[in-house]
Amino acid sequence: GQSLEQPSEVTAVEGAIVQINCTYQTSGFYGLSWYQQHDGGAPTFLSYNGLDGLEETGRFSSFLSRSDSYGYLLLQELQMKDSASYFCAVMGQAGTALIFGKGTTLSVSS
Amino acid sequence: DVKVTQSSRYLVKRTGEKVFLECVQDMDHENMFWYRQDPGLGLRLIYFSYDVKMKEKGDIPEGYSVSREKKERFSLILESASTNQTSMYLCASTQGQGLNYGYTFGSGTRLTVV
Repeated sequence: GQSLEQPSEVTAVEGAIVQINCTYQTSGFYGLSWYQQHDGGAPTFLSYNGLDGLEETGRFSSFLSRSDSYGYLLLQELQMKDSASYFCAVMGQAGTALIFGKGTTLSVSS
Repeated sequence: DVKVTQSSRYLVKRTGEKVFLECVQDMDHENMFWYRQDPGLGLRLIYFSYDVKMKEKGDIPEGYSVSREKKERFSLILESASTNQTSMYLCASTQGQGLNYGYTFGSGTRLTVV
């Protein structure tokens, strides 16, 4: 089966850099995705890593190491609006549907 | 922009009622999904569908069924609602596996079963 582990909470201050780690176990690997969800809102897609390495999208970057079954989301120049939950996700069996981690709640303070 | 619309934002139902949660997407996506979200448990997959009249069980299908009679609409049915089905229900859709462009989620239906 599939399982994902990520920290439940992370706190940081405005302007800082924070890294949210995700380790996964899956029988077939199709890449690692990240989603953001603000309180009361819908999850929104942030990034996808299909191959090893770093993908950068503005202040956010995502990294994957397939050999370590590990990835992370890096948020730079943190802003108050980055306070949200962040979920990593992998494809379930036979590439059918995403399975999500339990989420990391990021709190950014001033 | 793709839009996924869930018919109700909040619902309160009684134990034993049959409950229908509706989801409609407007971008001709093949794949649609139902998740439930509970504090500390993340999003858990209930059912998904990759074509009209097709359905597949997810990780927690017990107590639920689904219907997909039209490509744009995917309904989640609670046959006999129970208090442990009180949760936030999220519908999503995507084209293909939804890896490069991600899933598009609806705003969710918060269901309370009393």
